[in-house]
Amino acid sequence: DGGITQSPKYLFRKEGQNVTLSCEQNLNHDAMYWYRQDPGQGLRLIYYSQIVNDFQKGDIAEGYSVSREKKESFPLTVTSAQKNPTAFYLCASSSGRGANEQFFGPGTRLTVL
Amino acid sequence: QKEVEQNSGPLSVPEGAIASLNCTYSDRGSQSFFWYRQYSGKSPELIMFIYSNGDKEDGRFTAQLNKASQYVSLLIRDSQPSDSATYLCAVGPGFQKLVFGTGTRLLVSP
Repeated sequence: DGGITQSPKYLFRKEGQNVTLSCEQNLNHDAMYWYRQDPGQGLRLIYYSQIVNDFQKGDIAEGYSVSREKKESFPLTVTSAQKNPTAFYLCASSSGRGANEQFFGPGTRLTVL
Repeated sequence: QKEVEQNSGPLSVPEGAIASLNCTYSDRGSQSFFWYRQYSGKSPELIMFIYSNGDKEDGRFTAQLNKASQYVSLLIRDSQPSDSATYLCAVGPGFQKLVFGTGTRLLVSP
């Protein structure tokens, strides 16, 4: 089955801890994205990558970091510098070859205790 | 700041009616337009995309784009209770970054 997987589904973090959210796709897509969704707000772009070993900051990159060492994988680290990390985190991908359609993984719900 | 505006709703329609969802955007350079459906607690699911002015139909869904007026709409014919969800409008500049609206909540009553 082709698709996007995210793990874990739920994640609990203590204040001051870094956590890493996993995103994997087997769609052979070039571009991958991380969004954050808070109640009553739209999706906000954290980071995106159009090609392996390259990524750009989105609108709310502070307190987050990413890597893109493999085409299939785009992990997101939520650092202790992120002041309000409790949110629903969504990973998406698109083919990047003249097509803009983004497809989403199931999401990770992060709660800071 | 590029913006995408949607009425948060809820938009309530009876089963079998046509639901009309609207979205306006501020960036005149936008070239790609998407509608996503999001059920509570789930991730967004792409249901329609449109790139050219006019209408695009797919089953019970029709996307309408008017670039001169900077709006895009989604019509859902023969609405079903299973259509009850939040509908997100997303707009892209022709590259790959999308700007999302906050969504319109649709309630279809039996």
